[in-house]
Amino acid sequence: DAMVIQNPRYQVTQFGKPVTLSCSQTLNHNVMYWYQQKSSQAPKLLFHYYDKDFNNEADTPDNFQSRRPNTSFCFLDIRSPGLGDAAMYLCATSREGGGTDTQYFGPGTRLTVL
Amino acid sequence: KNQVEQSPQSLIILEGKNCTLQCNYTVSPFSNLRWYKQDTGRGPVSLTIMTFSENTKSNGRYTATLDADTKQSSLHITASQLSDSASYICVVSPQRNRLAFGKGNQVVVIP
Repeated sequence: DAMVIQNPRYQVTQFGKPVTLSCSQTLNHNVMYWYQQKSSQAPKLLFHYYDKDFNNEADTPDNFQSRRPNTSFCFLDIRSPGLGDAAMYLCATSREGGGTDTQYFGPGTRLTVL
Repeated sequence: KNQVEQSPQSLIILEGKNCTLQCNYTVSPFSNLRWYKQDTGRGPVSLTIMTFSENTKSNGRYTATLDADTKQSSLHITASQLSDSASYICVVSPQRNRLAFGKGNQVVVIP
């Protein structure tokens, strides 16, 4: 059974054209995360929500925004994608977000910027 | 700054052979260490999790070890299969919220 679902799996956009990536979860977890992973690199945390509380990483560009309208869904908005934003975007969830909690990852969305 | 270093960066092994992946970390304080498997184009999937008091943890043909004193962990793959071709990521949890990810060991199993 799918637990963390990401849509679309592949997204192609043009330079500067806004794009929205979607994540949904069936685990009823409190915490949802967005990571950016470039080729041969470790996933980089962009931000996370603890319930409705938004937590932005200090080095996340303003170009990246997020919305969590309810427990199940979380969106990543890239307002003006640049070539450097081409990457795999991973959504993850955890029950409470402490260091002992396992994060469950979705399959990722591969973003291509033309 | 928390650091997780993995070696080798990549390796190729013959189907049926064993291999060992290494992870060294400087994360402190330390809560737990996980190994994730990430297939190409997919999200990471948790293989094992160990707290500082655990020395070894197995999941089928995968066996992880942890030496919290030297801050080293290894992941041993026994009798490798073609489906083991993936990136194996070492993830260390400080006692606070953020996870520290390694860059992964890229394993290719050939027939």
